[in-house]
Amino acid sequence: GIQVEQSPPDLILQEGANSTLRCNFSDSVNNLQWFHQNPWGQLINLFYIPSGTKQNGRLSATTVATERYSLLYISSSQTTDSGVYFCAVLGQNFVFGPGTRLSVLP
Amino acid sequence: NAGVTQTPKFQVLKTGQSMTLQCAQDMNHEYMSWYRQDPGMGLRLIHYSVGAGITDQGEVPNGYNVSRSTTEDFPLRLLSAAPSQTSVYFCASSGQTNTGELFFGEGSRLTVL
Repeated sequence: GIQVEQSPPDLILQEGANSTLRCNFSDSVNNLQWFHQNPWGQLINLFYIPSGTKQNGRLSATTVATERYSLLYISSSQTTDSGVYFCAVLGQNFVFGPGTRLSVLP
Repeated sequence: NAGVTQTPKFQVLKTGQSMTLQCAQDMNHEYMSWYRQDPGMGLRLIHYSVGAGITDQGEVPNGYNVSRSTTEDFPLRLLSAAPSQTSVYFCASSGQTNTGELFFGEGSRLTVL
């Protein structure tokens, strides 16, 4: 089945800093999503982005499907951005990466 | 708009007891699924359904049963709970199996003593 890797596994930032999270996947996919799991455990949809680039406020994402990777950019980070970021790709079923744990310090 | 609703949010069981985690969605989604999340293991697929009357196994199906009698509901049954089933369970749905955006419920935390 499809393998999904995310990097870095952990990231600590000062408030206001920018960051880039990466998701690599091993095969072509029909669907790629980024989720944020907040400290209360809720999984929040960030982007549905099988290809191309999307932006939503301070967050943006780019997927290069032909090269099998996606990037999530967080600019001017805030403490509320803390949590775990997952990418998920769809082969036969959705497969999740292991996540990047982000801590934004005040 | 409720989206995906899971109940209960918290449950404590004794080994050998049975219970059902309920999941309902009001978006007329065909695809529904159950995941478990354990520390350091990410989210793993337990069972999924591509429509009423159709279910299939995911990555970790042992110890769990599902059924899909209606489009809206997809309950997950533990017939004889074991401590290894202590986890956080998430239900998710999607409008289309092969392209649709996946939406999650808020999760159910289960502890088996």
